Formats: sequence, structure tokens, C-alpha cells
Amino acid sequence: EVQLVQSGAEVKKPGESLKISCKGSGYSFTSYWIGWVRQMPGKGLEWMGIIYPGDSDTRYSPSLQGQVTISADKSISTAYLQWSSLKASDTAMYYCARRAVAGAIDYWGQGTLVTVSS
Amino acid sequence: DIQMTQSPSSLSASVGDTVTITCRASQGISNYLAWYQQKPGKVPNLLIYAASTLQSGVPSRFSGSGSGTDFTLTISSLQPEDVATYYCQNYNSAPSFTFGPGTKVDIK
Repeated sequence: EVQLVQSGAEVKKPGESLKISCKGSGYSFTSYWIGWVRQMPGKGLEWMGIIYPGDSDTRYSPSLQGQVTISADKSISTAYLQWSSLKASDTAMYYCARRAVAGAIDYWGQGTLVTVSS
Repeated sequence: DIQMTQSPSSLSASVGDTVTITCRASQGISNYLAWYQQKPGKVPNLLIYAASTLQSGVPSRFSGSGSGTDFTLTISSLQPEDVATYYCQNYNSAPSFTFGPGTKVDIK
């Protein structure tokens, strides 16, 4: 069974750093792109970027380039999303998601809620 | 960057009604279009990919059509469990696999 299991909810202060994770299982982790999707409170889905764990090829949404870093450690089948300096506007639910061979997102993680507040 | 729009932004329909949601891309994306359903407080779920291919396990009352810039999602015979927000997504143009703004569907 394909599963994407994300790390737990985080509460951080503005200016702090953070790295959240997404562990894949039940499939060949290195053979599928993993994307990250942001959903701010009460808002829609926003595509952030995507990584191919097989060679770490990473593509960012132009609107978010430079604000986050996406990485992966294929030895432990885990993808990451990190911030060096959080802002209150980073408060959101973050989903990791597997891109199917056909191109759409076929599996989603359960989501990681990030709250940034002073 | 390709922009996606959806209409309407929300709708209310009766059980058994046929519901149609429209998605438009700012430029042609062939059939690289997916539809997702997100129920309140839940993770999104893939309904349709390649504009018209039903994902395994999705009820046949859901259907999709379109190509190029204009797409539709149709729910025939709306059910109470279909209350959700529906999003289209373009997956033609890496790196930005843009989502539409969503259409919220309620029961009247």
C-alpha cells in the first residue's frame, strides 16, 4: 500500500527555521516525483514545488522560489520542506503528494499544520 | 505562468441534480488537467486525470471533459457525500502545476 506519512504539527515563532518531512512507503520512492502543496487557512490549494528523489532534480513554483527549500534523502525515502526564517504568513497546512506516472497527484500525505505566531 | 480559473466559485444544488463546474486555462494545456475533491477537514482526493479519465475507485457519477483551454467536471445525480470543494489542476507546465481557485458545492 502506497503511503506518504508527514511529520507532526509545528508551532514556531517568526524568524525561526523549520524542516518538515514526508516519508514514502509501499512503492519505489526514487521513481516518482514528490510535490509540496500549501493550503492557507480557509483558502485553496497552492502548488509550491516538486522533487525527483532519484536524482534530486527540483523545480519551484516561480511565486515561491527562494522562500523555501525542497530536498530528499532517498536512503530513507523521505522528502523535506524547509524554511530558514519563518513568517506569520507561512501559517498553513502543508501537504506532500506523489505525482503519478500519468502526471496528476495520486497520493497525498495527511498534511502538516505549521503555525507561526509570536 | 499558466493561470487557472474556475466557475462558479460556489453552488448549491439538490440531491439528484446534475452539477457542472468549469475550469479554464490561460493557454492551451492539451488534456493535462486533473480534478480533485476536498471534503471539509480532509486531504484532497484525485477524481479525474487526463481531463476525462476516472481515477480507480471514483464513482461513475463523476465525469470530465475538455481539451486545450476549456474543461468541465460533471456530477450527475448529486449525493450528500459530494459536499466538498473541487479543484482543477494543470500538470502540463513544470514547475508550476497550478490549481484553480476551487468551487464549493453544497446541498440545497
